Amino acid sequence: GAVVSQHPSRVICKSGTSVKIECRSLDFQATTMFWYRQFPKQSLMLMATSNEGSKATYEQGVEKDKFLINHASLTLSTLTVTSAHPEDSSFYICSARVGRASSGAFFGQGTRLTVV
Amino acid sequence: ELKVEQNPLFLSMQEGKNYTIYCNYSTTSDRLYWYRQDPGKSLESLFVLLSNGAVKQEGRLMASLDTKARLSTLHITAAVHDLSATYFCAVDRPFGYGNKLVFGAGTILRVKS
Repeated sequence: GAVVSQHPSRVICKSGTSVKIECRSLDFQATTMFWYRQFPKQSLMLMATSNEGSKATYEQGVEKDKFLINHASLTLSTLTVTSAHPEDSSFYICSARVGRASSGAFFGQGTRLTVV
Repeated sequence: ELKVEQNPLFLSMQEGKNYTIYCNYSTTSDRLYWYRQDPGKSLESLFVLLSNGAVKQEGRLMASLDTKARLSTLHITAAVHDLSATYFCAVDRPFGYGNKLVFGAGTILRVKS
C-alpha cells in the first residue's frame, strides 16, 4: 500500500521559535498534499491544500503567514509553524493523494507539537 | 456545500454485541471512505466504497454504500475490545469540484469487556 512518512512524530519547542514538519510520499508521487490539525476528541480540520509547484490554498481562518506550506516536489511537502505559541500546540497530520484517485488519500503518522 | 454527518458520535458497547455507525452526506458523491484512528495515532484506511451498493468486509467490520440515499453504514459484528477506536467516514466531492475529502465528525467507539 501507499506510504506517507511524516516527521517528526513529536516535537517540543519554545514560544517564538519555528518548527518544520515534513511529509513525504515514499512509493508514489502525490500531486496533492493536505495538512490537517486535530484537537483532542475532534475531527480533522483541514488547514491547507498544496499542489506540487504551486502556492498552497489555505482554508478560511488559517493564517498563511503563520503556517507556511511548501510543496517543492511530488514527494515532499513541508509545514512550518512560525513564531509558535502555546495555542499552536496540537496534532498535525498530513495526507497525500494522486489527483482524484479512487484510492483516496493516505495519511502520515502525525506530529504532536507542544509549544512551551 | 458538501456536509457529512456521522452518528452516533460516541458509542459504548459490550463485547459480543452488534452495532451500526451511520454516515450521511448532503450532495451527490459516488465515493466514500472509512478510516480508523487509534488514540495518539493517525488515520488508517479501512474501506474504499466506489459505487452504489458496494459492500466491503474485513473481519468484524462491514461497510456499505447507498448513493441514492446518500448513506453509508459501518456495521460491527460481535464487537471485541480491539475495535475500540475512532471511526471516520470521508466523502469525495463530485468530479470537477477538487479532490479534498470531507470528513464526518467521527464516532468514538468503546468496547467494554
